[in-house]
Amino acid sequence: LAKTTQPISMDSYEGQEVNITCSHNNIATNDYITWYQQFPSQGPRFIIQGYKTKVTNEVASLFIPADRKSSTLSLPRVSLSDTAVYYCLPTLSSGSARQLTFGSGTQLTVLP
Amino acid sequence: NAGVTQTPKFRVLKTGQSMTLLCAQDMNHEYMYWYRQDPGMGLRLIHYSVGEGTTAKGEVPDGYNVSRLKKQNFLLGLESAAPSQTSVYFCASTNPYALADADTQYFGPGTRLTVL
Repeated sequence: LAKTTQPISMDSYEGQEVNITCSHNNIATNDYITWYQQFPSQGPRFIIQGYKTKVTNEVASLFIPADRKSSTLSLPRVSLSDTAVYYCLPTLSSGSARQLTFGSGTQLTVLP
Repeated sequence: NAGVTQTPKFRVLKTGQSMTLLCAQDMNHEYMYWYRQDPGMGLRLIHYSVGEGTTAKGEVPDGYNVSRLKKQNFLLGLESAAPSQTSVYFCASTNPYALADADTQYFGPGTRLTVL
């Protein structure tokens, strides 16, 4: 199973850009990288997914360098409601069954 | 379209009692998963299923059994509950053949279980 490493916690202030980096040294060739967000007492929810270079959607950007051994989730102009735990997860693109391993995630706290 | 639902939301058991947690999804997803999450921890996979009638063990399967008799339902059973099984249980489903978000997991709201 691919193993990921993330910072345990991060603090930021409202309006700042936050970058959370995840290392995944043994990611498989066919794996995508998926990031999830989890609020207290709720299940994780999908934020963004990518394979290489940069992906952007309405809530975040994902940067994956050419060697794919790490990825960075970028949250622009965070607000208090972005306080949550963020998980990165190597994800098979399609087809085969696999066990998806969530690490401990990064607790992001946005301060006023 | 309710997505993934879990029943019940909360439960308190005594040691040795049994119970079944129900997960239902209305998205016609092939794969379904059961996770547990302990305080301050990430999710750990208990069992998963890649289709109706098939199940497989995850990272922490001991003390749990599962069944997938219908595609839309995935049941998690505790035959003899122990205090170590006090946790929040999350169910998830995925469509591994989707073009846009293959393997993206959709999670239910969770079941908070306390074993005394």
